[in-house]
Amino acid sequence: GAVVSQHPSRVICKSGTSVKIECRSLDFQATTMFWYRQFPKQSLMLMATSNEGSKATYEQGVEKDKFLINHASLTLSTLTVTSAHPEDSSFYICSALLSPYEQYFGPGTRLTVT
Amino acid sequence: AQKVTQAQTEISVVEKEDVTLDCVYETRDTTYYLFWYKQPPSGELVFLIRRNSFDEQNEISGRYSWNFQKSTSSFNFTITASQVVDSAVYFCALTTYNTDKLIFGTGTRLQVFP
Repeated sequence: GAVVSQHPSRVICKSGTSVKIECRSLDFQATTMFWYRQFPKQSLMLMATSNEGSKATYEQGVEKDKFLINHASLTLSTLTVTSAHPEDSSFYICSALLSPYEQYFGPGTRLTVT
Repeated sequence: AQKVTQAQTEISVVEKEDVTLDCVYETRDTTYYLFWYKQPPSGELVFLIRRNSFDEQNEISGRYSWNFQKSTSSFNFTITASQVVDSAVYFCALTTYNTDKLIFGTGTRLQVFP
């Protein structure tokens, strides 16, 4: 079945540093990937849609300069949290689109900014 | 506007009880897809079911069953003879035609006690 991986699964970084999270579709090519953010005991909120070879589309209220997304290949999208602050601490989940209306989710990355 | 409402924040049951998780959605589109996902404590989203708006047949998969009723805009999920391993947060989600963006409900936390 379709498998999506994320790396790292957990990361702790100091305030002011940048962190890169990778999302890979392991057994299929994905033109479109999505990035979600989930606060503790809350729902998933879509941050942006990542399209291979083009700029990401960000949801309203998401700072594109803060959350840099690169989708350089059909199997890899990266999310870089720049100049991270404690309020950026969250659970970040990516998904990859196998076919219309068929998303597969990665296992998530827990980011803690100290 | 699209919206998914899961009014039950938390449900606790004892093993072997049946439990129904409610999901009510709002959309003006006539073509849409509904989903249920399970999120165990590990955080990874597990796909359970996808249903399109033209298929109102109820579905059964083992101990799981889904009741889709367009008349009440509901897509409820029932677990029969619940087990401790069913303990998780369950999300209902919606996407409409020509977009793959998933709109998630707030989730229902199910705790099954032995």
